[in-house]
Amino acid sequence: NAGVMQNPRHLVRRRGQEARLRCSPMKGHSHVYWYRQLPEEGLKFMVYLQKENIIDESGMPKERFSAEFPKEGPSILRIQQVVRGDSAAYFCASSQQGVSTDTQYFGPGTRLTVL
Amino acid sequence: GDSVTQMEGPVTLSEEAFLTINCTYTATGYPSLFWYVQYPGEGLQLLLKATKADDKGSNKGFEATYRKETTSFHLEKGSVQVSDSAVYFCALSLSNFGNEKLTFGTGTRLTIIP
Repeated sequence: NAGVMQNPRHLVRRRGQEARLRCSPMKGHSHVYWYRQLPEEGLKFMVYLQKENIIDESGMPKERFSAEFPKEGPSILRIQQVVRGDSAAYFCASSQQGVSTDTQYFGPGTRLTVL
Repeated sequence: GDSVTQMEGPVTLSEEAFLTINCTYTATGYPSLFWYVQYPGEGLQLLLKATKADDKGSNKGFEATYRKETTSFHLEKGSVQVSDSAVYFCALSLSNFGNEKLTFGTGTRLTIIP
């Protein structure tokens, strides 16, 4: 049973470009969470999605960031017009039931570097 | 708001030493509590969890007990190994529908020396 898949593992972008990060949840999981980890810091929640729905986006920056989880295909975190402060590791997690007692399984992360 | 406070690191111990990493939380409801471990360059792996007061989570020799009266979830291991070197994160998740996100502590870097 494959775990949570993320790609690319490493992404380099120049300031002003767009970054697209992909996440495929574990088989049978329909709840996806995105977190950001800045260097030497803990993880911060960004957004929680179910298929075709954004449930909680309270951690998403108001501008340039968007997320989707379509009926078919992976979840996408999109960052437009990247700036150096966007450099971080972005982790996706998935869960089966989407309740607080459920375990979230994490992917290996995408490490974004903005030049 | 909801928050998790972890013991400041880094922590360096000798092999076979006893480990405690303190974790306390503030939450408006009744959270589930988790410890995750992150090895260099990798994602987070669940180490253990507890979903109600007085529950004890355990895995790979690590233990933590959910103490509601002290709002704590301290991680312990009786005899650490070099392979335990990693960053450890304490986290909580609340039981309100639509709010199952994990709130993490800042992490504690643990180094075990032979």
